[in-house]
Amino acid sequence: EVQLLESGGGLVQPGGSLRLSCAASGFTFSSYAMSWVRQAPGKGLEWVSTIIGSGANTYSADSVKGRFTISRDNSKDTLYLQITSLRAEDTAVYYCAKLVTRDALNDAFDVWGRGTMVTVSS
Amino acid sequence: DIQMTQSPSSLSASVGDRVTITCRASQGIANFLAWFQQKPGKAPKLLVYAASSFQRGVPSRFRGSGSGTNFTLTITSLQPEDFAIYYCQQYNSLPPTFGRGTKVEIK
Repeated sequence: EVQLLESGGGLVQPGGSLRLSCAASGFTFSSYAMSWVRQAPGKGLEWVSTIIGSGANTYSADSVKGRFTISRDNSKDTLYLQITSLRAEDTAVYYCAKLVTRDALNDAFDVWGRGTMVTVSS
Repeated sequence: DIQMTQSPSSLSASVGDRVTITCRASQGIANFLAWFQQKPGKAPKLLVYAASSFQRGVPSRFRGSGSGTNFTLTITSLQPEDFAIYYCQQYNSLPPTFGRGTKVEIK
């Protein structure tokens, strides 16, 4: 069974940092680009970042560029999101998601984790 | 960025009704369009990709159509488990963008 499991969320003060993790199983992790998508409380879905299978290229939303860094460890089948300089507006559930098509850079997301909540508050 | 406009933002319907949700892209996206269903407290679930291709395991009452800038998701006979929020997403170009969602409520 294909599964994604996020961890690492929590309550953090403005300006603080966190590292989110997403453990993957049930598919050839290194063959698929992976993304982070977030959802603020009561709001819609917002794409955050994508990293290709090899990890050589990454893409991020303008709203998080310079503050968030996506990475992956294919030897551990794990995706990461390092988030720094956190702001109140970064409060959201952060989902990791797998792209549908092998080797695709931009695609629909066919597998989602349960999400991890990040709350930015003093 | 490509803007995705969904309508309506919410609707009330009864079990057995035919429901149609529309999504319009601010520029042509060919058929690079997906539809998701999200229930409270749960992750989104992929229903349709490539505008009209069913995701494995999705009931056939969910039908996607369209190309270019105009797309629709039709639920041919609404079931109790279909009450949820539905989102469209374009993946023609980066950044991938989502519509604001359509909440389908019980009438």
